[in-house]
Amino acid sequence: KAGVTQTPRYLIKTRGQQVTLSCSPISGHRSVSWYQQTPGQGLQFLFEYFSETQRNKGNFPGRFSGRQFSNSRSEMNVSTLELGDSALYLCASSAGLAGGWADTQYFGPGTRLTVL
Amino acid sequence: AQSVTQLDSQVPVFEEAPVELRCNYSSSVSVYLFWYVQYPNQGLQLLLKYLSGSTLVKGINGFEAEFNKSQTSFHLRKPSVHISDTAEYFCAVSDRGYGNKLVFGAGTILRVKS
Repeated sequence: KAGVTQTPRYLIKTRGQQVTLSCSPISGHRSVSWYQQTPGQGLQFLFEYFSETQRNKGNFPGRFSGRQFSNSRSEMNVSTLELGDSALYLCASSAGLAGGWADTQYFGPGTRLTVL
Repeated sequence: AQSVTQLDSQVPVFEEAPVELRCNYSSSVSVYLFWYVQYPNQGLQLLLKYLSGSTLVKGINGFEAEFNKSQTSFHLRKPSVHISDTAEYFCAVSDRGYGNKLVFGAGTILRVKS
């Protein structure tokens, strides 16, 4: 099976712009989670989507949003980019078993976003 | 809110020596615990997880971890490390009932020297 893919792998934007990142989960997986990784704050949970519905949300401002499509592919959007949004954005997919409470999450390689 | 503390930011060790990477989490009713490894410029790979049952969990690449509820710890161990184990290791916890929302520790960089 192909792993989790994320596009693009690298992205450079300027302050004030918006950006959309894409994640294709492992075939058959129904849950997609997004994480932000920075040197200062570490790995932080953004949100999780399961069957096109947001199931969990982290403590990020409303500029960060996401969605999931019927084929389980997910996108996250960041509007009005700030310098502090520079980070590695990781997507993880899991099968989405009953309740999803014990899923193993498989991570993609990430999208490196640089905001200038 | 759940939190995870990885007590060492860097651990240098010689090849073939044993290693222990420490992880403590804030107490909760019941949690799931995970260790992930991240190699440079890559995503995270699951090493092992504790869901319930036996407190000694065996994972990939010869790693194991022991869940200690009374000390709220989940330390990772390997009896003999290799150069290829050089990477950053993350401990993570999720509260039962919160799906796949993982809370990560700050990470421990394991440097294996020859």
